[in-house]
Formats: sequence, structure tokens, C-alpha cells
Amino acid sequence: SQQGEEDPQALSIQEGENATMNCSYKTSINNLQWYRQNSGRGLVHLILIRSNEREKHSGRLRVTLDTSKKSSSLLITASRAADTASYFCATPTSGTYKYIFGTGTRLKVLA
Amino acid sequence: NAGVTQTPKFRVLKTGQSMTLLCAQDMNHEYMYWYRQDPGMGLRLIHYSVGEGTTAKGEVPDGYNVSRLKKQNFLLGLESAAPSQTSVYFCASSKETGGNQPQHFGDGTRLSIL
Repeated sequence: SQQGEEDPQALSIQEGENATMNCSYKTSINNLQWYRQNSGRGLVHLILIRSNEREKHSGRLRVTLDTSKKSSSLLITASRAADTASYFCATPTSGTYKYIFGTGTRLKVLA
Repeated sequence: NAGVTQTPKFRVLKTGQSMTLLCAQDMNHEYMYWYRQDPGMGLRLIHYSVGEGTTAKGEVPDGYNVSRLKKQNFLLGLESAAPSQTSVYFCASSKETGGNQPQHFGDGTRLSIL
């Protein structure tokens, strides 16, 4: 498996519910980023969490990072139909400025 | 402020033809990247650049060449297109300290090779 794998691959929820997606990675990192991709568009940066941070919030987004388990989670609270998108985590490759993106979680929020 | 602009948005090529994809950014970013996105594969890095006049290979560089003659532009070339290069290509850029900076993406070029 590759660095930065999201789980689940697909998630379908009702509007108003919370959505949680997870990312696992293999090597030590100094930060981890989450991105959103709407259908037919490029990726949009959501949040960056550094290795010395355990939790970070941005609006309805909450990201956690557990470096001991090499995992991160993205929680979207009170989801909206507009949150329907694919979500990717990205982790830097050791010693470089290159990032590895996972295959993403496809979130569908039903109105 | 346009951000990252990719041209063209769509293109159909025949096997063996060549073409150049253009990426332009207006944020004065040092780092630029080319990725390809295939179903079930996520994003894979083709080539990247850490500054004007410099380029480096990524994960899947074979069959592609790049140039960064101007800081704001990053060109991706396919010398002899193959059906395996059918994909969606994304360009991204980030600030000088790229390791801890978000990447800004264009909306992609959808390329089909027949």
C-alpha cells in the first residue's frame, strides 16, 4: 500500500450528519495536509496539521493527528450537500518537498 | 487573481502525436508540480520544479519532459503520446518553503490518446 491511504474509499451520509474519514501513512512526517476535490475540478487545500499538533479546527472541519499510530482523521460536522466531493490526505516524502497523495475518500451527502 | 491556470482544458490526440500542456501561476510561487490522476490511483507526481530553470523527476516521469524557463510557467510535454498517457493532468504550485506550504491546483487538463 502507498503512503497516505484514506479509509473508507466511499461514504454516503444524510445532510446534517457528521462524516469521518481516515488517513494512514508509513514514514515519519513533519506535517499532513487534507484536500478536497469537487467533480471535474482541481484539489483545494483544506487544512495542514504539523507533527507537533494533535488536533486542528477550521470551521466545520476537525483534523486529528496521531503520530504514534501514523494516522490522521478528518471530521466534517453538520454536513451539507455542498460537501459532496473526494477528500485526499497528502504526506511529504522523507527529506524532500514532494507530497504523496492517497487515493481519496468519495463523500456523498444526500439532501 | 487567477491562481493556477492550465491550458488546454481538453485534448484528444492520436498515438504518436506530441503536445505541450501549459501551466501558469500568478502567485510568485517557487515550487511547481505536474501530477496525473487516474481512476483508483490517486495523484501521481510526474515532474516538479523548485525554481526557475530547475526540474526534477517525480514518481512517473517516463514519456514526459518539462521545462521551467520562466518562474510563472511550467510546461509538460509529451513527445510521442501513448494510450497509457490518457489521464487527467493537474498542475500545482506552492511557496518557497514548499515542504510546509499548501499546494494550489489548477482545474486540470483532460487528455485522451486514441
